[in-house]
Amino acid sequence: LAKTTQPISMDSYEGQEVNITCSHNNIATNDYITWYQQFPSQGPRFIIQGYKTKVTNEVASLFIPADRKSSTLSLPRVSLSDTAVYYCLVGFNYGQNFVFGPGTRLSVLP
Amino acid sequence: DSGVTQTPKHLITATGQRVTLRCSPRSGDLSVYWYQQSLDQGLQFLIQYYNGEERAKGNILERFSAQQFPDLHSELNLSSLELGDSALYFCASSVDSYQPQHFGDGTRLSIL
Repeated sequence: LAKTTQPISMDSYEGQEVNITCSHNNIATNDYITWYQQFPSQGPRFIIQGYKTKVTNEVASLFIPADRKSSTLSLPRVSLSDTAVYYCLVGFNYGQNFVFGPGTRLSVLP
Repeated sequence: DSGVTQTPKHLITATGQRVTLRCSPRSGDLSVYWYQQSLDQGLQFLIQYYNGEERAKGNILERFSAQQFPDLHSELNLSSLELGDSALYFCASSVDSYQPQHFGDGTRLSIL
């Protein structure tokens, strides 16, 4: 059974680095891991996607270990505007199923 | 702006009724996905279409159906509505199953 888990909530202070981990079992060799940010009354907004090792873009980094049973989203130097819910989305069974994690509510404090 | 357009933004109806939600994907995207977001179940994958054909099926009820038209827009049909169907329904689109999905801002369905 495809399942993903994430911490329910995290607190951080402005300027700190935040790492959010998603655990996922039974991921197939061709399936990707994607992270999203969601604000109230809006759709999930794409942050980053990866398949293995490390991916970096202008806003985040994604670390995926060799066994691919987890992934870690890293947000460098968060600001108040990064307060949101963060979701991992994992493809399972070679793109036949897509499972969101329960979401991590990040609160950035001044 | 993700480029994915969903209409209507809000829908209020009664139990037993039928509604249709519409989604226009980003230009160039061939794949469309539907998700349901509720407080108790989180974000749940319903169904995916690729270039007009059903590609993957998730936790979609038999009372729900979808289709993707030749111009690539998609509709999600919900029938015999129940109170528990009240939720946010999101559409997403991507180039294919292995490219990032981009989400619209959803349709909020309220069943009275």
